Amino acid sequence: QQPVQSPQAVILREGEDAVINCSSSKALYSVHWYRQKHGEAPVFLMILLKGGEQKGHEKISASFNEKKQQSSLYLTASQLSYSGTYFCGTDTGTASKLTFGTGTRLQVTL
Amino acid sequence: NAGVTQTPKFRVLKTGQSMTLLCAQDMNHEYMYWYRQDPGMGLRLIHYSVGEGTTAKGEVPDGYNVSRLKKQNFLLGLESAAPSQTSVYFCASRVYRDKNTEAFFGQGTRLTVV
Repeated sequence: QQPVQSPQAVILREGEDAVINCSSSKALYSVHWYRQKHGEAPVFLMILLKGGEQKGHEKISASFNEKKQQSSLYLTASQLSYSGTYFCGTDTGTASKLTFGTGTRLQVTL
Repeated sequence: NAGVTQTPKFRVLKTGQSMTLLCAQDMNHEYMYWYRQDPGMGLRLIHYSVGEGTTAKGEVPDGYNVSRLKKQNFLLGLESAAPSQTSVYFCASRVYRDKNTEAFFGQGTRLTVV
């Protein structure tokens, strides 16, 4: 079963912040975040592990609440280059099955 | 390194025809996955493999078969294509190491069934 992402789409002005949420009905071992530009393959952003710390680099960070099986991606002071579709991927630890959400389309404008 | 390579990149099939999509990775990864991407549906897992000679069903396996005869290759077959299988197909792979490794994606195959 796919994890659920929210919102489905968001439009930001450059410099604004955004939060993308990912929720699963199953206990999770890890959560992945990827970004996909139009017509391209998804590109890895970060992994959060069960029992691990919040991760991030520069202005993109994420958290993982393993008790609630939820993860959030935080984009701070957004840039035009942040535009794209963001996917969370969940791994329940069973046979390393990696399942992705429905995606959140992010558009950053001037 | 080429990473993950998908062949072909584009294909148009007639209903009822068969075809095989090839995914090849040169990173010695154990795990390989096939996804389909449709508007509003995200990436849905079709089949996956945790090693040579092993395959497992994902969320939407009907109408597809897979084989992993060699560690570096993961084949996705459509025996009798249907218009509902029009989609963009992505292959991905990742290494087995404490199960906390990123997935690398191929560039995708755009398949149209008419």
